[in-house]
Amino acid sequence: KQEVTQIPAALSVPEGENLVLNCSFTDSAIYNLQWFRQDPGKGLTSLLLIQSSQREQTSGRLNASLDKSSGRSTLYIAASQPGDSATYLCAVKGTNAGKSTFGDGTTLTVKP
Amino acid sequence: GAGVSQSPSNKVTEKGKDVELRCDPISGHTALYWYRQSLGQGLEFLIYFQGNSAPDKSGLPSDRFSAERTGGSVSTLTIQRTQQEDSAVYLCASSLAGTGRYTEAFFGQGTRLTVV
Repeated sequence: KQEVTQIPAALSVPEGENLVLNCSFTDSAIYNLQWFRQDPGKGLTSLLLIQSSQREQTSGRLNASLDKSSGRSTLYIAASQPGDSATYLCAVKGTNAGKSTFGDGTTLTVKP
Repeated sequence: GAGVSQSPSNKVTEKGKDVELRCDPISGHTALYWYRQSLGQGLEFLIYFQGNSAPDKSGLPSDRFSAERTGGSVSTLTIQRTQQEDSAVYLCASSLAGTGRYTEAFFGQGTRLTVV
């Protein structure tokens, strides 16, 4: 059974800092990994999707990496802004595709 | 529509009543997923539809839960004889495909269900 862990559970940084969020998974036989953000009381917004054959994906100030063999992914946020404050979730889709297993998220607070 | 649409956005129901939650996926998306997010907990998979294939119902917590997808588009999640532990946010997502390159999942805003 796939298990997904996100560390830290919460993070508070001053505006402008670069930061890294971590996601680890127990079964390396994955189809893809997707990062989301969730604002309070809202649904999930897709940030980046990394296919199992890829090592990283970039979108604006966000860069996500994937190391399947070690069961790890990181989300790097450059020059953080207060608007980045949200909960960040990673989701791993198994090789049979279909459902994804989610981590519990990292709640990020960026202070002005 | 432009995104995944869920209705109602909020639902309060009495214990023992049946409820229906609706999901309108992005037009053309063949894969549709239901998840549940309970207070202070992570997202829990419920059910997955892919085209005309038999749905993956492995996440449904009890036989009080059922879902259907009509015409490969709109989906309805039905909870019979609701219990207080059913209180949660029910999230629907869709993707262009279930396998291959186009599996990026897009989520709706969710339906917050409260059972009193």
